[in-house]
Amino acid sequence: SQTIHQWPATLVQPVGSPLSLECTVEGTSNPNLYWYRQAAGRGLQLLFYSVGIGQISSEVPQNLSASRPQDRQFILSSKKLLLSDSGFYLCAWSQEGGSYNEQFFGPGTRLTVL
Amino acid sequence: GQNIDQPTEMTATEGAIVQINCTYQTSGFNGLFWYQQHAGEAPTFLSYNVLDGLEEKGRFSSFLSRSKGYSYLLLKELQMKDSASYLCAVLSYGNNRLAFGKGNQVVVIP
Repeated sequence: SQTIHQWPATLVQPVGSPLSLECTVEGTSNPNLYWYRQAAGRGLQLLFYSVGIGQISSEVPQNLSASRPQDRQFILSSKKLLLSDSGFYLCAWSQEGGSYNEQFFGPGTRLTVL
Repeated sequence: GQNIDQPTEMTATEGAIVQINCTYQTSGFNGLFWYQQHAGEAPTFLSYNVLDGLEEKGRFSSFLSRSKGYSYLLLKELQMKDSASYLCAVLSYGNNRLAFGKGNQVVVIP
């Protein structure tokens, strides 16, 4: 069976510090991978999406970046965090290709920027 | 792009039935998903509709009308554990990205 992991689960960082959040998927190959952010009182916002190693699509301009160094690893980074980066960060995966594209979410990372 | 609209919050009594609506505007509609999200947790999949009509899965049913750009999620025999946010998400042709609504918070009271 497939599983998706995220770490850390919670993180408190000062403004201007760097960020690295990691997501890994097990039990599948060539997944589509996604990073979402959910700010308080707001919906899920898609940040990045990837269909393969080294292939990253950015959905919104921001001070965050994403990388996919391995097939089942997706990393969200920032060089300098802003207060507005606080939120609940969710990684998700879906099967490669296909029209039925259910996404499976990881447990999330709650980031507080102070 | 896509525009997805959901009401924000509703309260219902244990054992009752509640209907959560979602309207959307998108080009190249290719399916609509409903997810449940408990506070502080990740969303979990509830249902998927791509054709018009009703899909029933236990206490939960989801309906889709593509011509009206409308879906609803019906929760029957409400239980306290059903207190959660319910997210509507739309998939469009040509990409693998889901566009999510802001979610509808359902509060179940005894």
